[in-house]
Amino acid sequence: KAGVTQTPRYLIKTRGQQVTLSCSPISGHRSVSWYQQTPGQGLQFLFEYFSETQRNKGNFPGRFSGRQFSNSRSEMNVSTLELGDSALYLCASSPLKDGSGQSPLHFGNGTRLTVT
Amino acid sequence: AQSVTQPDIHITVSEGASLELRCNYSYGATPYLFWYVQSPGQGLQLLLKYFSGDTLVQGIKGFEAEFKRSQSSFNLRKPSVHWSDAAEYFCAVAIITSGTYKYIFGTGTRLKVLA
Repeated sequence: KAGVTQTPRYLIKTRGQQVTLSCSPISGHRSVSWYQQTPGQGLQFLFEYFSETQRNKGNFPGRFSGRQFSNSRSEMNVSTLELGDSALYLCASSPLKDGSGQSPLHFGNGTRLTVT
Repeated sequence: AQSVTQPDIHITVSEGASLELRCNYSYGATPYLFWYVQSPGQGLQLLLKYFSGDTLVQGIKGFEAEFKRSQSSFNLRKPSVHWSDAAEYFCAVAIITSGTYKYIFGTGTRLKVLA
């Protein structure tokens, strides 16, 4: 089974621009979560989608948004980029159906975003 | 507020030495507990998990972790470290919020292994 695929692996953008990151979950996984990873901050939860619905959201400004398609693929968008948005963005999928916390997350290798 | 604390940002051990990485959580009940490992340029890989039952759980790559309810801890251990274990390790909990589960991660412990 193919793992979680994130594209692109690297992105360089300028302040004020917007960016879209893509995530393809493991086949059969319907839950997709996004995390921002920065040195010293660990992983900060952005949002989680299940069956095209946002089920949970972290404490990020409205510039961060996401969506999930009917095939479970997900995208996240960041508008009006700021220098502080530079980070590794990780996507994780899970097979869970009913929101059980017993299904571990399966992570992609991330998209490294650099904002200059 | 719910949180996960990994008090050691960096740990250095010699190859062949034993290892213990600390993790404490703050939550009103017993959460589901996980340890993940991240190698450079990679995503996170699950090492082991605890849901209930035996408080000593075995994982991949020779790792084990012990859940101690009284200390709200879930420390990761390995009897003999290999150079390939150099990586960053994250402790995480899954807690229920608004009717669904949410994962909270610690800030990570970076392990360096000396030859």
